[in-house]
Amino acid sequence: EAQVTQNPRYLITVTGKKLTVTCSQNMNHEYMSWYRQDPGLGLRQIYYSMNVEVTDKGDVPEGYKVSRKEKRNFPLILESPSPNQTSLYFCASGPGTSGKLKEFFGPGTRLTVL
Amino acid sequence: QKEVEQDPGPLSVPEGAIVSLNCTYSNSAFQYFMWYRQYSRKGPELLMYTYSSGNKEDGRFTAQVDKSSKYISLFIRDSQPSDSATYLCAIERPSGGSYIPTFGRGTSLIVHP
Repeated sequence: EAQVTQNPRYLITVTGKKLTVTCSQNMNHEYMSWYRQDPGLGLRQIYYSMNVEVTDKGDVPEGYKVSRKEKRNFPLILESPSPNQTSLYFCASGPGTSGKLKEFFGPGTRLTVL
Repeated sequence: QKEVEQDPGPLSVPEGAIVSLNCTYSNSAFQYFMWYRQYSRKGPELLMYTYSSGNKEDGRFTAQVDKSSKYISLFIRDSQPSDSATYLCAIERPSGGSYIPTFGRGTSLIVHP
């Protein structure tokens, strides 16, 4: 089954404790991205990657890091989480150079930072 | 002014009605226009995308773009209770030499039997 998987699905952590949210896709997509979704603000892109070793900032990259060492994986790293990073996070992937127009979203990770 | 404006609703309609969902955007440099559907506690799901002004049809869904008015619409014919979801418009806008999808806040649609 074609899918984007995220782990963990739910996470409660404390301020300053480094965490990683993993994302993996099995569709051989070149394009991958991370979003956060907040009430009243909608979906906002954090980072995206056009292919392996190619990443770039989205609208709200502050406080986040990403890496793309393999085509299928695109982890999101929060080095020192803060309460304003409490949100619902989505990973997405899309095919080819126009992948950002055809994004296939994962199920989401709900993060709470205390 | 937000770059993409979308009325959050909720919009409540009876089964079988024609639904019209709308977004406005602020910058004529915006390119591609997408519509996503998001069920509660799920990730968004792409319905369709389009580039040019005019209509694009896929089954019961029709996307319409009016670039002169900076206005996009999604029409749903013969709406069903299973169409109850939040509908997100997304528009590609230029950013640092590339283009980034910018989403509206979403419109909540309720189709009641």
